[in-house]
Amino acid sequence: DSGVTQTPKHLITATGQRVTLRCSPRSGDLSVYWYQQSLDQGLQFLIQYYNGEERAKGNILERFSAQQFPDLHSELNLSSLELGDSALYFCASSVGVFTEAFFGQGTRLTVV
Amino acid sequence: DAKTTQPTSMDCAEGRAANLPCNHSTISGNEYVYWYRQIHSQGPQYIIHGLKNNETNEMASLIITEDRKSSTLILPHATLRDTAVYYCIVRVGSGAGGTSYGKLTFGQGTILTVHP
Repeated sequence: DSGVTQTPKHLITATGQRVTLRCSPRSGDLSVYWYQQSLDQGLQFLIQYYNGEERAKGNILERFSAQQFPDLHSELNLSSLELGDSALYFCASSVGVFTEAFFGQGTRLTVV
Repeated sequence: DAKTTQPTSMDCAEGRAANLPCNHSTISGNEYVYWYRQIHSQGPQYIIHGLKNNETNEMASLIITEDRKSSTLILPHATLRDTAVYYCIVRVGSGAGGTSYGKLTFGQGTILTVHP
């Protein structure tokens, strides 16, 4: 158990809908990362926050947004969902921006 | 971030040492070598990281060549539960800025299969 909690574990939704994925980092960690892993792609970095501020951005679609709240939990919002958004979404956290990151068990999103 | 090259797949007998190589010939002075593994569809698991000295922890050892252009992850006594995809990642260290700020870029990794 890495100490990073992601909810829900599984999510099935229809095209065009909007969902919110939640991540609770390890106690004491200030940095949160989001990754997407689909079958035909590897682990793709989406975005990183540190203490509430965005610090790095990957190829995150405009339909996706994220934020880190004052209590340090983070949410990834996915809107206007398409079939191709079906994937595993992982959250990771670390103490600092450059320290080792620990991953949660992911949310499996299925868009039908 | 520097690019890494790993073999696509490797096999290892249970109980033997597994030596996973990684090339990172364009690594910069402030970039660290990180290793993660992913078992089936679980979240990636941190293994070890280093800058230029060899490192060892309860999971593995990391050997970095003197010129830092390559490294080897060693699992001393591989078990069936070590079957996973192993990722070698070069990551900018402290003091750097820009768009690569702290992110971990995963490649395709090495599929390690441990056989009975």
